[in-house]
Amino acid sequence: AQSVTQLGSHVSVSEGALVLLRCNYSSSVPPYLFWYVQYPNQGLQLLLKYTTGATLVKGINGFEAEFKKSETSFHLTKPSAHMSDAAEYFCAVSEDSSYKLIFGSGTRLLVRP
Amino acid sequence: ETGVTQSPTHLIKTRGQQVTLRCSSQSGHNTVSWYQQALGQGPQFIFQYYREEENGRGNFPPRFSGLQFPNYSSELNVNALELDDSALYLCASSTEGIRSYNEQFFGPGTRLTVL
Repeated sequence: AQSVTQLGSHVSVSEGALVLLRCNYSSSVPPYLFWYVQYPNQGLQLLLKYTTGATLVKGINGFEAEFKKSETSFHLTKPSAHMSDAAEYFCAVSEDSSYKLIFGSGTRLLVRP
Repeated sequence: ETGVTQSPTHLIKTRGQQVTLRCSSQSGHNTVSWYQQALGQGPQFIFQYYREEENGRGNFPPRFSGLQFPNYSSELNVNALELDDSALYLCASSTEGIRSYNEQFFGPGTRLTVL
C-alpha cells in the first residue's frame, strides 16, 4: 500500500536560511510525487510534481525537490527562506493506475525574522 | 477563469444530523475529488466523480455519499454525523480523472464542526 512519511511536524528556520522539508514514500510501482502548500484558511496549492523524466524538479516560489528512488525520498528545498514561505507543506503520492492522492501528515514551516 | 469554489465556508451541526457540502469545479474540469482533513493531519481521499459517475472511493463508510451534476459541480453528503466527522472538507477538480498526474486544483474548503 502507498504511504507518505514527513519527518518533523514543525520546522523552524531563519529568514534567508536553507529550507529542507523531508518526505519519504512507499509505493509498489513508480510513483507520481507532489508537494502542496497550504496557507491559513486556504485550500492546497501545488508547488511541484514529479511524474517521469528529470529527477530534479523545480516548482513555484523558488522551491525544488529531488526524486531519489534508492532512498524512496522526495525532499523539498529552497535556498533562502522568506517570511511569506511560512505555511503548512504536504507531500503526496499517487500511482499511475490510481485516481487518488495519498498525503503525508504535513510539516508546518516557521520562518523567524 | 473562476477557480474551485465551495459552500458554505463554515458549518456547525449536531451529532446525528445530515449535512450537504457543495463544490463548483474550475471551468473545463470534468473530475471532482473530495478529501477530509482532520485537524493537524493531511487530507484523506473520500471519493472521486468523473463525468457524473463515482470513479473511486477511499476508506469511508457509506454514510458519506456524493453526486456530480451535468455542469460538473458536486455535492458531498454525510448522514448520521459523528463527532469525528469534524474536519475541513476539501474539493479538488481536474481534467481526465483516469490520468492521476493531472493537477488537482483545490478549493478553500468547508469547515464542519459536529457538536
